[in-house]
Amino acid sequence: GAVVSQHPSWVICKSGTSVKIECRSLDFQATTMFWYRQFPKQSLMLMATSNEGSKATYEQGVEKDKFLINHASLTLSTLTVTSAHPEDSSFYICSARDVQVDHEQYFGPGTRLTVT
Amino acid sequence: GQNIDQPTEMTATEGAIVQINCTYQTSGFNGLFWYQQHAGEAPTFLSYNVLDGLEEKGRFSSFLSRSKGYSYLLLKELQMKDSASYLCAFSSNDYKLSFGAGTTVTVRA
Repeated sequence: GAVVSQHPSWVICKSGTSVKIECRSLDFQATTMFWYRQFPKQSLMLMATSNEGSKATYEQGVEKDKFLINHASLTLSTLTVTSAHPEDSSFYICSARDVQVDHEQYFGPGTRLTVT
Repeated sequence: GQNIDQPTEMTATEGAIVQINCTYQTSGFNGLFWYQQHAGEAPTFLSYNVLDGLEEKGRFSSFLSRSKGYSYLLLKELQMKDSASYLCAFSSNDYKLSFGAGTTVTVRA
């Protein structure tokens, strides 16, 4: 149990285009999902917290108009990187919190984004 | 994260024991996690400590001292497949995770 999927697993896009990444909890309900970004040889940095049915909360320094987050259901959150630039190339990872397990967060497999 | 520290690299021999230390500072604390991450993959959960003391799970053990803001991950009977990055992270009261930079462990034959 407690599986989180992400789609796509990797994507290459041209500078200026937008890319949507999906994060799904497959066998549990997740009222809260988290989006992280990881640059090579660096740790995970929290970008935003996605709450079902409400607006996402963004960490300091993360542009909310550039990284659009939608959490329309208890099993799906999406991150859209708008007008992507090469510096947005990174490994994007989501995690989901199971409401029935107080502390546990389950991570998705990640999405490798390359902007050319 | 800026308020969580762990060593950058450690090297050990197959079959040996390695201890990865982690110190943290936070005003709100809801637990300390250890994750394993192989290159190009997402982190996988190893352990969780919310009370002081040692949690043992097979070859891996984790220790927490809340008063000292200190944790360690102990890896016993090292295997080649244990070569990976090990991430220390604390959970704040709002369940957000703050990660350390990770410790790259290299296991040599």
